[in-house]
Amino acid sequence: QQPVQSPQAVILREGEDAVINCSSSKALYSVHWYRQKHGEAPVFLMILLKGGEQKGHEKISASFNEKKQQSSLYLTASQLSYSGTYFCGTGSREAQKLVFGQGTRLTINP
Amino acid sequence: NAGVTQTPKFRILKIGQSMTLQCTQDMNHNYMYWYRQDPGMGLKLIYYSVGAGITDKGEVPNGYNVSRSTTEDFPLRLELAAPSQTSVYFCASSFQGRGQPQHFGDGTRLSIL
Repeated sequence: QQPVQSPQAVILREGEDAVINCSSSKALYSVHWYRQKHGEAPVFLMILLKGGEQKGHEKISASFNEKKQQSSLYLTASQLSYSGTYFCGTGSREAQKLVFGQGTRLTINP
Repeated sequence: NAGVTQTPKFRILKIGQSMTLQCTQDMNHNYMYWYRQDPGMGLKLIYYSVGAGITDKGEVPNGYNVSRSTTEDFPLRLELAAPSQTSVYFCASSFQGRGQPQHFGDGTRLSIL
């Protein structure tokens, strides 16, 4: 089943923080995060493979709660370049493929 | 290093026509994927391959076919194009499966009229 992302859209001013959540009804083996700018291909941000794992990428970090089957992406002190649509992709133990969420559109205004 | 290359970038087809979307990668990745993305929506997996000669269906395989004769190439075939297949098609590859990042091509924008 498709993971559910929340919120669907968020508008921030430059410098503000954002949290994007990804929830699955299935047990998760991995969670991927990608960012897609309008008219472009998705770009990989990070993978989380273990329950409780947190990873960071500049001012973007993520956590993975295996028990709750959830992951959250944290964007701190947002920059204009962070604008785009963020997708989580979840992988189960049974299959070597991902199922992507519907995306969260992030708009950063000056 | 080209990464994942898709051709063509744009294409308009008439209903009932057929075509092949090409995808090639030069990273020696074992896994390759085809997704479609409808406007404002997420990525839906059409087919994927875990190595040469091995393919499997994704979430939305109807109306499509694939083959994987080499590690580098993973073409997607549309037979009898329908308006519902108007979409942006992305090819991706990864070294292994769900535990490795996927690298995406620039996409093929396909319109069926």
